[in-house]
Amino acid sequence: GNSVTQMEGPVTLSEEAFLTINCTYTATGYPSLFWYVQYPGEGLQLLLKATKADDKGSNKGFEATYRKETTSFHLEKGSVQVSDSAVYFCALKHGTYKYIFGTGTRLKVLA
Amino acid sequence: KAGVTQTPRYLIKTRGQQVTLSCSPISGHRSVSWYQQTPGQGLQFLFEYFSETQRNKGNFPGRFSGRQFSNSRSEMNVSTLELGDSALYLCATQFGQGDNSPLHFGNGTRLTVT
Repeated sequence: GNSVTQMEGPVTLSEEAFLTINCTYTATGYPSLFWYVQYPGEGLQLLLKATKADDKGSNKGFEATYRKETTSFHLEKGSVQVSDSAVYFCALKHGTYKYIFGTGTRLKVLA
Repeated sequence: KAGVTQTPRYLIKTRGQQVTLSCSPISGHRSVSWYQQTPGQGLQFLFEYFSETQRNKGNFPGRFSGRQFSNSRSEMNVSTLELGDSALYLCATQFGQGDNSPLHFGNGTRLTVT
């Protein structure tokens, strides 16, 4: 079946450091891929998405590229801020099947 | 446009009791999904409703149930509460069903079972 695997956290970085959170998936066909972010005390919110191979989703300085050949959708940001501290979830959606979420990666950015 | 509204925000219940949680979707959204979030298990899918019909169901016991009304509002019910039911329950809505439109989440209901 479909599945998403993302790197274990927590990830602790200093402000302005480079961020990568790895996400790989297993699915037949061409699912849509998403990154959601959850700030403390809130629900998840969409950060970015990509719907086909080689698409790059981007938002708020975050980027992720849909790599069909490596079945990956890694999240990157060139310079993190304290306000980026949150939990990040990778997810896929394929047709009528339910969304599949990764286990989440907690990011802590230190000033 | 108002976001997804979940009520109540916090609940404290005793083992054996039952609880009902409510979710009001964004106007126009007809699909409502429920998730249980715990530190150990992450985000677990409970069920999805579209046009008052359950379309997908996760691997939870029958004590967990839900329904959707004609105005797309949804409720979930947990009967005979157990300590392990303590969690953040998230509702997520989207416009269609079977499409890849993003989910819009509420801020959740924090349930504590003592």
